[in-house]
Amino acid sequence: EDKVVQSPLSLVVHEGDTVTLNCSYEVTNFRSLLWYKQEKKAPTFLFMLTSSGIEKKSGRLSSILDKKELFSILNITATQTGDSAVYLCAVGSLRGSGNTGKLIFGQGTTLQVKP
Amino acid sequence: AAGVIQSPRHLIKEKRETATLKCYPIPRHDTVYWYQQGPGQDPQFLISFYEKMQSDKGSIPDRFSAQQFSDYHSELNMSSLELGDSALYFCASSLRDRVNQPQHFGDGTRLSIL
Repeated sequence: EDKVVQSPLSLVVHEGDTVTLNCSYEVTNFRSLLWYKQEKKAPTFLFMLTSSGIEKKSGRLSSILDKKELFSILNITATQTGDSAVYLCAVGSLRGSGNTGKLIFGQGTTLQVKP
Repeated sequence: AAGVIQSPRHLIKEKRETATLKCYPIPRHDTVYWYQQGPGQDPQFLISFYEKMQSDKGSIPDRFSAQQFSDYHSELNMSSLELGDSALYFCASSLRDRVNQPQHFGDGTRLSIL
């Protein structure tokens, strides 16, 4: 059975701290790994990773994928209160042709950043 | 930039009633996905459509059906509603054959069953 596991499930830090969120997966027909940020409504896209070892970076956020060990990490440096959210890891799985398939989500990591 | 539009935003129904949720994908996106997110849970894939044909099926109950229309919008039809159907229903869209195109989500429809 396909599985995506995130850790930790929740995290409380202070502004300025650096956090690392983990995501491991066992998914057949792997196509991509995606990170989303969810604040009470729609998941907002952060990163999409398809190749091992290539870091993707956007401001204070960065992510990398290891397809051999089947995991990814999401780093947030110099955290701010606005980073408080649930961070979802999802793996795209698709049978057949095409580029994107259904997403299998992890349980999410709830991050709370205190002032 | 245009995003995924879902309607209605909120819906309150009673047990055994029916509901129809609508999703309008990002312009030119040809693939639509439906997800159900229960309270405190991660989103669960229900069903997807590509070019108006069902492309994959997940944990969608037999009481639910969905379709994609010629303008690529999609509707999720839910019948004989149960208390356990109370959840946030997300629609996402993507462009199937473009490399490295993520799914983008709408704001969801919050369905409450009384």
